[in-house]
Amino acid sequence: EVQLVESGGDLVQPGGSLRLFCTASGFTFSNFWMTWVRQSPGKGLEWVANIKPDGSEKFYVDSVKGRFTISRDNAKNSLYLQMSSLRAEDTAVYYCTKGTWCDHWGQGTLVTVSS
Amino acid sequence: DVVMTQSPLSLPVTLGQPASISCRSSQSLVHSDGNTYLNWFQQRPGQSPRRLIYMVSYRDSGVPDRFSGSGSGTDFTLKISRVEAEDVGIYYCMQETHWPLTFGGGTKVEIK
Repeated sequence: EVQLVESGGDLVQPGGSLRLFCTASGFTFSNFWMTWVRQSPGKGLEWVANIKPDGSEKFYVDSVKGRFTISRDNAKNSLYLQMSSLRAEDTAVYYCTKGTWCDHWGQGTLVTVSS
Repeated sequence: DVVMTQSPLSLPVTLGQPASISCRSSQSLVHSDGNTYLNWFQQRPGQSPRRLIYMVSYRDSGVPDRFSGSGSGTDFTLKISRVEAEDVGIYYCMQETHWPLTFGGGTKVEIK
């Protein structure tokens, strides 16, 4: 059974940094693209970033380019999202999803950016 | 970016009756490889999203056959043949033909 477990969400001040984690199990992690999707409170879904199976290519939504970095450690079956220069509008539940097609989702981790 | 427009925003349905959700894209979702990468997701209250349909019409494992997807080009539809209480939630379409990937704004299905 595919499982994705996110962690790392927290309350952080504007301008601060945070690192999100996603641990995967139940599939061969190193074979799949991975994706971060976020959902602001009471709002819809927004794709944030993708990373290729070997980590050689990464893609970001314009609003986070230069501030967020997606990475992975295939030996640890882990996906990461390093977030810096955080803004109030980054407040959201961040989901780790499998593939570019998001066929499995984690439970999400809440990031709140507020002073 | 490709804009995904869903309608209606809210869909009150009687139990046992059909429901239909529309999703329109601002440009064709036919990929250069000939496939159309349009997915549908369900988000029940308090839960993470779950993929129901991929590539327009293929149901994910475990998805009841009362859910079906159809469409082509820029116009797509998710149909529920007979709504059950567990179908309450918000439904999203998502395209992955063009980068960046984009989602529709969601359609809330509720029981009358």
